[in-house]
Amino acid sequence: GENVEQHPSTLSVQEGDSAVIKCTYSDSASNYFPWYKQELGKGPQLIIDIRSNVGEKKDQRIAVTLNKTAKHFSLHITETQPEDSAVYFCAASIFVAGRRALTFGSGTRLQVQP
Amino acid sequence: KAGVTQTPRYLIKTRGQQVTLSCSPISGHRSVSWYQQTPGQGLQFLFEYFSETQRNKGNFPGRFSGRQFSNSRSEMNVSTLELGDSALYLCASSLAGTSGGAGDTQYFGPGTRLTVL
Repeated sequence: GENVEQHPSTLSVQEGDSAVIKCTYSDSASNYFPWYKQELGKGPQLIIDIRSNVGEKKDQRIAVTLNKTAKHFSLHITETQPEDSAVYFCAASIFVAGRRALTFGSGTRLQVQP
Repeated sequence: KAGVTQTPRYLIKTRGQQVTLSCSPISGHRSVSWYQQTPGQGLQFLFEYFSETQRNKGNFPGRFSGRQFSNSRSEMNVSTLELGDSALYLCASSLAGTSGGAGDTQYFGPGTRLTVL
């Protein structure tokens, strides 16, 4: 079925460096791509999202880019800080049984070393 | 504005029992979606309710069911529990659900950690 692939599964960076997480999707009709951050013992928290009519969106140190032709989108975190350490999930709005549903990537565990 | 709340936060059950989990969405949100999160399968969509009607359903057996009340609060039920049902069950609310428009942004609750022994 339709799915979302996310890479890498783990990512370790030094504080102050940039981190990039990439996702690909298979449903060409997908039009909404959110990113979530999940800390230990908590539910996923929306950090940024992008819709298919936009190629890039930025919010302070976080940015997301979307390439609809190649069906991939990426999360960019600049000037990483230890509090950025968490698991990050990408998702795409994909048709399931005739209606849209969010399908999630497998997650990336980001570790920011102080 | 209060966020999504889920009760209980932790639950321990034995095989064969049934369980009911509760979710209160953000005020004004009419859509509630449920997800199962496990280390092996990740985040998987269970179902979505909008205005008391199940609008979409993922690939889970009929033992998993849910409902939504007129105040948008939702419950999910799992009958005849199996060991493999141990997971974090997450509820997410949105204004309009999977309509494809701006109202479909989903906000998650903290989850209910279910352990089946």
